[in-house]
Order: sequence, then C-alpha cells, then structure tokens
Amino acid sequence: NAGVTQTPKFQVLKTGQSMTLQCAQDMNHEYMSWYRQDPGMGLRLIHYSVGAGITDQGEVPNGYNVSRSTTEDFPLRLLSAAPSQTSVYFCASRSTGEAYNEQFFGPGTRLTVL
Amino acid sequence: GENVEQHPSTLSVQEGDSAVIKCTYSDSASNYFPWYKQELGKRPQLIIDIRSNVGEKKDQRIAVTLNKTAKHFSLHITETQPEDSAVYFCAAKMNNNDMRFGAGTRLTVKP
Repeated sequence: NAGVTQTPKFQVLKTGQSMTLQCAQDMNHEYMSWYRQDPGMGLRLIHYSVGAGITDQGEVPNGYNVSRSTTEDFPLRLLSAAPSQTSVYFCASRSTGEAYNEQFFGPGTRLTVL
Repeated sequence: GENVEQHPSTLSVQEGDSAVIKCTYSDSASNYFPWYKQELGKRPQLIIDIRSNVGEKKDQRIAVTLNKTAKHFSLHITETQPEDSAVYFCAAKMNNNDMRFGAGTRLTVKP
C-alpha cells in the first residue's frame, strides 16, 4: 500500500492564481481531511469528508473548496491564492468503522504564495 | 468552537531526564486521544494513543494518562534520548468525528 499520497510536494503561486492540491489514499478509508500547518499554530482543520459525495467545513475553510467524488481522492482547491495561504498542507485519512482509529498523514505540500 | 490546548510550547531537557507534555480538551464527548511526533520536514506520525475507557497506557519509554473528569491528558517520556527531539502534537477526536490538534510542543533533548 502507498498509504496517503500528495502532489505536488512544493508549489509557488502568485497572488490571485488558483490551483488544486491532490490527495489520494489506497486504504479504503471513509474519512479524509485537509490540515494546514503554520509555525506555532499546530494543525488546523480546513475541510473534511466522511465519504464519497459528503464534505464539510473545519476550523479554517475560507478560501478553500473540496470535493469527494470517489473514496480514494480528496482534492483541495485554492480559488484565488493569497499570501496568508502560505503554509504546509497535510492530507489525512482514517477508517470510521470503529470508534478509535489511527489517522494517517500524507507527506505534505509546501505552498508559497507571493 | 471545540478545541485542544497544549502546554508547554517548548521544552528542553537533559538526556536521560523525563519530559511531560499536557493537553486539555473542551468536547466532553471526545473518546480518542492520539499523540503524534513530527520530525523536521516530515509528516506527523502516531506514537501512542489512548481511548476514553482507559486511564493510562504505556509503550516502552512512552506513556499517556487520561483524566476524563478534568478533560486533560498527558504524554510522559522517560529516559529521554537526543532522537526524541521533535515536535509533539496531542489530538482529540470530537463528537462529529473531527480530529482537532493542539498547537504542538517542541522538545529538545540535550546530550
């Protein structure tokens, strides 16, 4: 199993550009989520999904869109990039079959918005 | 909203000493509390977790304690080694299935 994969690893954008961060998992996990990590602020939840066709907002959803058309994929879209979105983005997944389940993280995408 | 608070933000210990990191949570329905270790430039990795029906769990030099009444849980690392140096995050699974994280503790173990 590849686990959770993310592309790209690094990205530089100009203010106002749009892009999609890709995330995929091959563990058949129902739950997938996106976090952003900023210095001193830990991991903040952006959006999450409990299954294909279902998404919901986390703590910091503004400026981001998600969709979940398949169990495997959960892309994160930045509609109009702003410098405040400079961060490291982690995708994560876990099973919801039991009450307590390990959450697995992807390798991260380091995004810089100029 | 629901959150997780973590202290201290930085911790420096001598090799061989113990390190303790504490977290509190607000959602009384939270039932799962993992701890993650993140090395520089890497993804967070699970090191230990505890469920709400257990008060303490130990795995070699690492232990976690949970006080559900007070809504706090702690990570204990004994006989620290330089390779324990990293950022540690606590987390709590919320009633709506979200996983919320603390702000992290940067642990430095000095040889």
